[in-house]
Amino acid sequence: DIVMTQSPDSLAVSLGERATINCKSSQSVLSGSNNKNYLAWYQQKAGQPPKLLLYWASARESGVPDRFNGRGSGTDFTLTINSLQAEDVAIYYCQQFYTAPYTFGQGTKLEIK
Amino acid sequence: QVQLQESGPGLVKPSETLSVTCIVSGGSIASYYWNWIRQSPGKGLEWIGYIFYNGRTNYNPSLKSRVTISVDTSKNQFSLKLSSVTPADTAVYYCASSNWVYWGQGTLVTVSS
Repeated sequence: DIVMTQSPDSLAVSLGERATINCKSSQSVLSGSNNKNYLAWYQQKAGQPPKLLLYWASARESGVPDRFNGRGSGTDFTLTINSLQAEDVAIYYCQQFYTAPYTFGQGTKLEIK
Repeated sequence: QVQLQESGPGLVKPSETLSVTCIVSGGSIASYYWNWIRQSPGKGLEWIGYIFYNGRTNYNPSLKSRVTISVDTSKNQFSLKLSSVTPADTAVYYCASSNWVYWGQGTLVTVSS
């Protein structure tokens, strides 16, 4: 199985500042056939299912604010949330969908400082 | 807009079989393949398996011996059965589309005598 490891486990950021979450996979999730990284980022608020933010590591899902950005390739990925808003408080997960069993990171809890 | 709705028993006794169904509305079940994911405090998000409309399945090896996923295209729904459950199977069970955009709200299943 591909193991997804996120860091940090939690972080507190001031409103208007930038939050950065890292995700590392134990194997590359970059497809050689289409040059796409099979990596997604989710936001989960209390009592709700995960919400897809980004796929292919950096493509924003429809309706997701442009302050959410993803980068990285192969095994190392980053989610950056610029100009943090109060509604961004949530747990963020990365997920690889390159090969089954699809696996998720352990989550990063984002709070307001 | 595709919507997913899970329904489950709420409480299952140890050693029995857990059954959860996901109804797909607002779209055809043939448009995607369909995932089951569960979330428990101890293990985070865990992918259980998926099914295509034609019945082709792929299961997480960690659960494969106990999992059966089936589809009923006439009712636009698919189902999960997990046998020989223990308290470790207590979780919120989600269904989700293959593009990871559409998720149900989740159904909590508690395994307890």
